[in-house]
Amino acid sequence: KQEVTQIPAALSVPEGENLVLNCSFTDSAIYNLQWFRQDPGKGLTSLLLIQSSQREQTSGRLNASLDKSSGRSTLYIAASQPGDSATYLCAVGDSNYQLIWGAGTKLIIKP
Amino acid sequence: NAGVMQNPRHLVRRRGQEARLRCSPMKGHSHVYWYRQLPEEGLKFMVYLQKENIIDESGMPKERFSAEFPKEGPSILRIQQVVRGDSAAYFCASSPEQGYNQPQHFGDGTRLSIL
Repeated sequence: KQEVTQIPAALSVPEGENLVLNCSFTDSAIYNLQWFRQDPGKGLTSLLLIQSSQREQTSGRLNASLDKSSGRSTLYIAASQPGDSATYLCAVGDSNYQLIWGAGTKLIIKP
Repeated sequence: NAGVMQNPRHLVRRRGQEARLRCSPMKGHSHVYWYRQLPEEGLKFMVYLQKENIIDESGMPKERFSAEFPKEGPSILRIQQVVRGDSAAYFCASSPEQGYNQPQHFGDGTRLSIL
């Protein structure tokens, strides 16, 4: 049974710092991995989707990597801004449609 | 192009009542997914539907919960005889088709509170 873990559960850093969020999964037989952002009381915004055959994806200041063999993914945020404050969720595509979710990392960027 | 629309945004019910949650997928999307997020927990898959068909309901409790996606109109998640443990955020997502390269687009969710 696939399990997804995100560490740390919460992170607070000063504005401008580069930071890394971690996601690990127990079964390497995945279809894809997605990183989402969730703002309080809001829905989920897809940030990056990495196919199982890919190693990384980039979008602006965000870079996500995937290492299937070790069951790990990282989300790198460069030059953090207060507007980056949110909960970041990692979800593993366990089939063509089913996503298995981590509990999230709550990120606070201090001005 | 409107995104995934869920309503109501907030729903309060007393124990024993029925809750109906609606989801209108993005235009052109025929695949709908429902997820539940319990307080301080990650999201859990509930059910996957295509128009008029339930494809996978393995994550949905066998009792009291049902889902549909009719030919016309929104997808409905129905919870009968609600209990306190049903309090959660319910998210709906849609995609144009099934496939590992199809990101799911999410609505803002319905926050269900049971008194």
